[in-house]
Amino acid sequence: KAGVTQTPRYLIKTRGQQVTLSCSPISGHRSVSWYQQTPGQGLQFLFEYFSETQRNKGNFPGRFSGRQFSNSRSEMNVSTLELGDSALYLCASSLAFLASYNEQFFGPGTRLTVL
Amino acid sequence: AQKVTQAQTEISVVEKEDVTLDCVYETRDTTYYLFWYKQPPSGELVFLIRRNSFDEQNEISGRYSWNFQKSTSSFNFTITASQVVDSAVYFCALSDLNSGYSTLTFGKGTMLLVSP
Repeated sequence: KAGVTQTPRYLIKTRGQQVTLSCSPISGHRSVSWYQQTPGQGLQFLFEYFSETQRNKGNFPGRFSGRQFSNSRSEMNVSTLELGDSALYLCASSLAFLASYNEQFFGPGTRLTVL
Repeated sequence: AQKVTQAQTEISVVEKEDVTLDCVYETRDTTYYLFWYKQPPSGELVFLIRRNSFDEQNEISGRYSWNFQKSTSSFNFTITASQVVDSAVYFCALSDLNSGYSTLTFGKGTMLLVSP
């Protein structure tokens, strides 16, 4: 069974640009969560999607957005990039909503560098 | 607000030593879930265990064991006879009603270095 896949794995952008990251959950999983990992702030929750609906959102500015498609694949978008957006962005999938009740499987992450 | 503290930033041991990673949590809820994840250099978080607040039984899985004590709000993780492959960053995490049970609040992580 294929795991969670994230594309691209590495990305370099400049300030002011926008970026879209993609996550394909494990087959059959309907919940996708996104986390940002930085050395200073650690792992922070961004948002969770289930059945194409955003169920929960972390404390991030509106520049961070996401969506989920009918096949459960998810994308997150960051507009007007800032240097502080440089991070490892992790996607996690689980079988159902209220992901914390279920084991979350994480992807390898997308390493975003903003210059 | 919920909070997870992993006071040990980095631990270095020699292979075959036992090592305990500490985790202290804060929550106002009586129902909550605690987790441990391992992050090897590849970056992918690997699920190790989930424990709910009503189950204080300690758990053992091979060389791994977990000690959950509600009285001290701690959920410590012990690796017995450590191996080089155990080298990774370990995260403790909490999910509670305040977070809608759908998000994880992570500690800052403990980097474990096991040398041969």
